[in-house]
Amino acid sequence: DGGITQSPKYLFRKEGQNVTLSCEQNLNHDAMYWYRQDPGQGLRLIYYSQIVNDFQKGDIAEGYSVSREKKESFPLTVTSAQKNPTAFYLCASSGDRQGRINEQFFGPGTRLTVL
Amino acid sequence: DAKTTQPTSMDCAEGRAANLPCNHSTISGNEYVYWYRQIHSQGPQYIIHGLKNNETNEMASLIITEDRKSSTLILPHATLRDTAVYYCIVRSMNRDDKIIFGKGTRLHILP
Repeated sequence: DGGITQSPKYLFRKEGQNVTLSCEQNLNHDAMYWYRQDPGQGLRLIYYSQIVNDFQKGDIAEGYSVSREKKESFPLTVTSAQKNPTAFYLCASSGDRQGRINEQFFGPGTRLTVL
Repeated sequence: DAKTTQPTSMDCAEGRAANLPCNHSTISGNEYVYWYRQIHSQGPQYIIHGLKNNETNEMASLIITEDRKSSTLILPHATLRDTAVYYCIVRSMNRDDKIIFGKGTRLHILP
């Protein structure tokens, strides 16, 4: 099945440790996105990538880093510099279909808890 | 900042039509109206989008006012599985245009 996957679903880390969240898609989409969601809040954009080997900061990029070495993968690292990393993290991708709007497809999310 | 305004929450009886309003008074001529929904602890799911004409698909209908400053998402026969947060978003076709999610409307379907 084509889709977008994130692993793991739940992740626990100690304060001060870096942690990397996985995001993989087999939809052949060019663009990929990382969002953060806090309880009762909407999604906030962390980083996005429109093409391989290129990415841009979103609205809340501080304390995060990404890479886009392969089209199908867009891992997010939550560094120790992120002051409040506990949140629900969502990855999304969108294709460039001729004549169609770029709908974003979302993964199931990773819930990160920093102890 | 989100370009849309939605009620924080709404209730709807199971089997009835759920009508979710959205205000987007500053929408530009090249911006579309999108609707997504998010069931608890899952990723958002695309529902429908439109520019100026009313749209219908297997999930919902989208009614956009003639001046395009507001729209309504209609779930014709709501079920308990439609309980979710519904996000109304405006964005252009430009692939560099980010999708900005607001807080959405929390829809409760009542048995």
